[in-house]
Amino acid sequence: GDSVTQMEGPVTLSEEAFLTINCTYTATGYPSLFWYVQYPGEGLQLLLKATKADDKGSNKGFEATYRKETTSFHLEKGSVQVSDSAVYFCALSDNDYKLSFGAGTTVTVRA
Amino acid sequence: GAGVSQTPSNKVTEKGKYVELRCDPISGHTALYWYRQSLGQGPEFLIYFQGTGAADDSGLPNDRFFAVRPEGSVSTLKIQRTERGDSAVYLCASRGLAGDNEQFFGPGTRLTVL
Repeated sequence: GDSVTQMEGPVTLSEEAFLTINCTYTATGYPSLFWYVQYPGEGLQLLLKATKADDKGSNKGFEATYRKETTSFHLEKGSVQVSDSAVYFCALSDNDYKLSFGAGTTVTVRA
Repeated sequence: GAGVSQTPSNKVTEKGKYVELRCDPISGHTALYWYRQSLGQGPEFLIYFQGTGAADDSGLPNDRFFAVRPEGSVSTLKIQRTERGDSAVYLCASRGLAGDNEQFFGPGTRLTVL
């Protein structure tokens, strides 16, 4: 079945550092790919998405590119802020639209 | 512009008891999902409703779990004879128009079975 593997955390960074969270997937079809974020005390929010190969999703300075050849959707941000501290989840959705999530990566950004 | 709401936010119960968890989706959203998130894990799919019917219940772990959506809006997840392993955060999400596959999540219900 469909599955997502993402980089284990926790990840601790200083402000303005570069962030990468690796995500790879296994799917039988051509899924849509997502990054969701869960800020402390809040619910899951969609951060960005890509629906087909070579698409780049971007939001709030974060980017991820759908790489079919490597079955990856790595999340990157060039300069993180304290407010980016959160748990990040990579996810995929097959034609039924149900989401399969990775285990989540906790990111802490220090001032 | 209310989002997805879930009640209660926290539920503590004893092993063997019955619980009901409620989800109010975004108005007009036809698709509704339930997920379960155990500590340190990502959410796991439980069941998906399209309108009033369960289109996919393949994620329900066993027959102690049941969900309904009688009028195509509010949904209730029901757990019978709760076990300590059922302790988790139960998340509800809703989705609107066909072709737009973004799911909007509620804040979750934290269930603790003692």
